[in-house]
Amino acid sequence: NAGVTQTPKFQVLKTGQSMTLQCAQDMNHNSMYWYRQDPGMGLRLIYYSASEGTTDKGEVPNGYNVSRLNKREFSLRLESAAPSQTSVYFCASRRLAGQETQYFGPGTRLLVL
Amino acid sequence: AQSVAQPEDQVNVAEGNPLTVKCTYSVSGNPYLFWYVQYPNRGLQFLLKYITGDNLVKGSYGFEAEFNKSQTSFHLKKPSALVSDSALYFCAVRDMGRDTGRRALTFGSGTRLQVQP
Repeated sequence: NAGVTQTPKFQVLKTGQSMTLQCAQDMNHNSMYWYRQDPGMGLRLIYYSASEGTTDKGEVPNGYNVSRLNKREFSLRLESAAPSQTSVYFCASRRLAGQETQYFGPGTRLLVL
Repeated sequence: AQSVAQPEDQVNVAEGNPLTVKCTYSVSGNPYLFWYVQYPNRGLQFLLKYITGDNLVKGSYGFEAEFNKSQTSFHLKKPSALVSDSALYFCAVRDMGRDTGRRALTFGSGTRLQVQP
């Protein structure tokens, strides 16, 4: 099992460019999450997906869109990147029933110039 | 809304000494609490969790955490620190809302543990 995988590992964008961060899990988990990590602030929830075909906003959704392509994959899109979106992005997944632990991917480091 | 506080940005300890990383929380109802560790340029790794039961929870790599309801604390401990324990540690509390599909985590700001040889 690879667990949770994310691509790319690192990306540099110019302001206004778009990109999609990819996340996949092979643990047959139902819920998937996108968080961003900023220095001194811990991780904050951007969007989540409770199941295939559903997505909902978290604390900091502005400037992002997501797609739950199937049970395995959950992508995060920045339509017009801004310097404030410079961050490390983590994807996580959790099996729905009776399983509270979230498992995290290795992260994508994004720099917006 | 729930919240988590990690009052120390950094904790320094000598190898072989006991270590404590502090965490306090604020939730309505019974908390579900977690500790994660992040090594440089890596994702978060699950260490342990408290859901219910014994107040002393044992986890990976010799770590344990003590849940104290009256003090709303969930401190991470290890009897004898290793240099390899040096990392960033996050305390988190689970979303207590009715949406079972959400169950997102609210994280503290993190504590950097530095273990000196």
